[in-house]
Amino acid sequence: SQKIEQNSEALNIQEGKTATLTCNYTNYSPAYLQWYRQDPGRGPVFLLLIRENEKEKRKERLKVTFDTTLKQSLFHITASQPADSATYLCALDAGNDYKLSFGAGTTVTVRA
Amino acid sequence: GAGVSQSPSNKVTEKGKDVELRCDPISGHTALYWYRQRLGQGLEFLIYFQGNSAPDKSGLPSDRFSAERTGESVSTLTIQRTQQEDSAVYLCASSLQGMANEKLFFGSGTQLSVL
Repeated sequence: SQKIEQNSEALNIQEGKTATLTCNYTNYSPAYLQWYRQDPGRGPVFLLLIRENEKEKRKERLKVTFDTTLKQSLFHITASQPADSATYLCALDAGNDYKLSFGAGTTVTVRA
Repeated sequence: GAGVSQSPSNKVTEKGKDVELRCDPISGHTALYWYRQRLGQGLEFLIYFQGNSAPDKSGLPSDRFSAERTGESVSTLTIQRTQQEDSAVYLCASSLQGMANEKLFFGSGTQLSVL
């Protein structure tokens, strides 16, 4: 069956450190993988998209890698700040043109 | 509007009642999605609209769930004879054309509580 697994444990880190989140998938062959941020009581907000032929993508303090051999994406928040505290969701295309399947998310708390 | 708007933001209902949840997508977005998010869980796909048609209803959990979209704009998700297991946040999202390389814009969701 198809699965998307993210860090099951919440991540608590000190301000200024790097947070690294994992997204592993099974029985998908995504052409694209996306990361979203969700704050309590709000809908997810798009952060980054990476294509299968891209190894790495950066946006400001965010970095995403995509390894189609390992079937894994890593999401890094560098120089983390308390404002980065949120739940981060990975999503990938389910093999058709329109549907995104989401992982359960990893909750990150950055303490000052 | 500037973003995806959902109403109501909260809905408390009694078991067995029908509820209607509304979504106003971003103007010009042809693709519209409904997802369900149970506490501590990921987003569960319910239905996809392209224009006013729903080519993929595969995620609707039972025949108590239905959805429609009119004017290539507003969508309504209806849950009949609500059950306690229907309690969740119902999220609506839209995208420009429904392509896999497009980002989704989400509303803030409707928190449904069935007592």
